[in-house]
Order: sequence, then structure tokens, then C-alpha cells
Amino acid sequence: EIVLTQSPGTLSLSPGERATLSCRASQSVSSSYLAWYQQKPGQAPRLLIYRASSRATGVPDRFSGSGSGTDFTLTVSRLEPEDFAVYFCQQYDSSPYTFGQGTKLEIK
Amino acid sequence: QVQLVQSGAEVKKPGASLKVSCKTSEYTFTDYYMHWVRQAPGQGLEWMGWINPSSGGTNYAQRFQGRVSMTRDTSIGTAYMELSRLSSDDTAVYFCARDTSPRGTAFDIWGQGTLVTVSS
Repeated sequence: EIVLTQSPGTLSLSPGERATLSCRASQSVSSSYLAWYQQKPGQAPRLLIYRASSRATGVPDRFSGSGSGTDFTLTVSRLEPEDFAVYFCQQYDSSPYTFGQGTKLEIK
Repeated sequence: QVQLVQSGAEVKKPGASLKVSCKTSEYTFTDYYMHWVRQAPGQGLEWMGWINPSSGGTNYAQRFQGRVSMTRDTSIGTAYMELSRLSSDDTAVYFCARDTSPRGTAFDIWGQGTLVTVSS
């Protein structure tokens, strides 16, 4: 099973700042089958990024994903108030598909 | 628009079984795999398995093998997830989510979630 470790656990930033979230895999994720989701309280997750760097439909271009192998990054270039939420990475390279434990992005 | 609408909240007793439905609309049901994911209160996301609505083929996470069953009714575009021998550890919100294939474009549309509480 591929274990995903996200860091930091909590990130405190102000609107307008840049956010960098990390996701590290315990083994290589082939063909970059790595996704990022945003989740707000009481809501289902929302897909932001798939295949490590492809933005999902309707996702603003301030969200970008990068990385390969075992190290992946989600970057939010300029934080908007609606971006403060919990973010999960997920690998869908091999079963069981696994998620990271999440990074909470909170307003400073 | 494309939607996945799940059945309502349930309260179950330990040892009972649960069946959650996920009704789809505005897309071809058999063109997308359906995954089930759960989230315990205040916790992260846990993938349970997928069903291919076209063939009925399934792939379950090992930890749920023997206890989970995923089925579908193509005539009404609905997927089901049944979990047996419930314990308090199964208290969670259960989500369905679609994907183009097991290694597709990830889970682009999610149901609203079904809260399941297991309590004596």
C-alpha cells in the first residue's frame, strides 16, 4: 500500500499570499496518478488537480500542481478567502487508492 | 448538470448491514467507474473500492473484503454500496464518486455524502 504523507499539517497564511503544500509518497507513483482535492466543512471533496499537474474543469488557474515519482506539490499562487479549507492528495496508481491525511489551510 | 445524489442518513445497530444508494443524472452511467470513499468524523478519506457499471466488475480494498458489496442497476443509473457486520468504527460519511477509469482523471464528481451512525 502506498502511504501518502502531507506537510505541513496546518498552514496559516493571509489572503494574497502564496501557499505551497507537499505530498510525499512511500513509493513511486507511476505516470503521476496523483490528485489533489479541496474540502470545506460539511461538503464533499472537490477535485482540483489530476495526473499531478492537470487542472480539473472550472478550477481557477491560481491552483497548480507539480511533481513526479514520490514528491508532489500543490501551489496556490495568491490566496482568496474561499481557498481556506482542507486539502488532500490521493494516489490512484495502485489499489488500494490512498489519501494523505490532509493539510488545513487556515487564515492567519 | 451532472449529479450524484445519495440516499439519506441512517442509524444502525452493531452487527447490522447498511446499503447506500447513489443515483446519477445527466451523463451515461456506464461510461464511468463508481468509487466509494468514507470519512470518519474529523478524520481523513478512506477508499473502499470501485464498481465498473458497464460490466459489474468490482475491486475492493482488502480491509473491506468479505464485508462490502458494490452493485448497480443500469436501468435506473444507480450504484449501491452494502456493508455488513457493522461496528462503531464504521460510523462515517460515505461518498460515491465517479472516475473515467481506474487510472483516469481521478474523482471529478462526488455525491453529497451519507452519514451513517452505528450505535447500540
